[in-house]
Amino acid sequence: DAGVTQSPTHLIKTRGQQVTLRCSPKSGHDTVSWYQQALGQGPQFIFQYYEEEERQRGNFPDRFSGHQFPNYSSELNVNALLLGDSALYLCASSYLLARDEQFFGPGTRLTVL
Amino acid sequence: AQTVTQSQPEMSVQEAETVTLSCTYDTSENNYYLFWYKQPPSRQMILVIRQEAYKQQNATENRFSVNFQKAAKSFSLKISDSQLGDTAMYFCAISQAGTALIFGKGTTLSVSS
Repeated sequence: DAGVTQSPTHLIKTRGQQVTLRCSPKSGHDTVSWYQQALGQGPQFIFQYYEEEERQRGNFPDRFSGHQFPNYSSELNVNALLLGDSALYLCASSYLLARDEQFFGPGTRLTVL
Repeated sequence: AQTVTQSQPEMSVQEAETVTLSCTYDTSENNYYLFWYKQPPSRQMILVIRQEAYKQQNATENRFSVNFQKAAKSFSLKISDSQLGDTAMYFCAISQAGTALIFGKGTTLSVSS
């Protein structure tokens, strides 16, 4: 049983560009959450998707958007990249009705130059 | 708003010794979950232990146990018989059922032989 997978592993972009990160949840999970982790810091919640709708959103600008597909996989899109967007982006999946543990993927390291 | 505070940026311990990591939190909710996650240098976030706030009994998972003091809003992690593989960054987190995880800034634990 594959756990949470994310692609790509690493990504380098320049300021002003747009980026798309992808996540496949653990088998049986229906909810996907995205987190941004700056170097040496704790993860910060971006948003959560359930049934293809954004269910909850953290304090991130509209440049950050997402999507969930019918197979529960998800994408995170960031427009007009800033240097400060450089971070590790973590995807976590869960089963909404289970109400507890979120399983994390290995993350995508985004570097903005 | 929920907040999590980890007051120990770094801790070190010898193999086979016991170490306690501190965490305090703030929430206005009655029903919530508390977690300790481990993030090794490989960066995959792994759940160590979780506690439901309505349960008075402290959670235990093998060498890992918590001291949950609800009135004091304290949730410390005790690691017994420390092993080299315990070297990692440890994050305390809080959530309401199925919603965003709010993380602390983390404690870097180094275990030496």
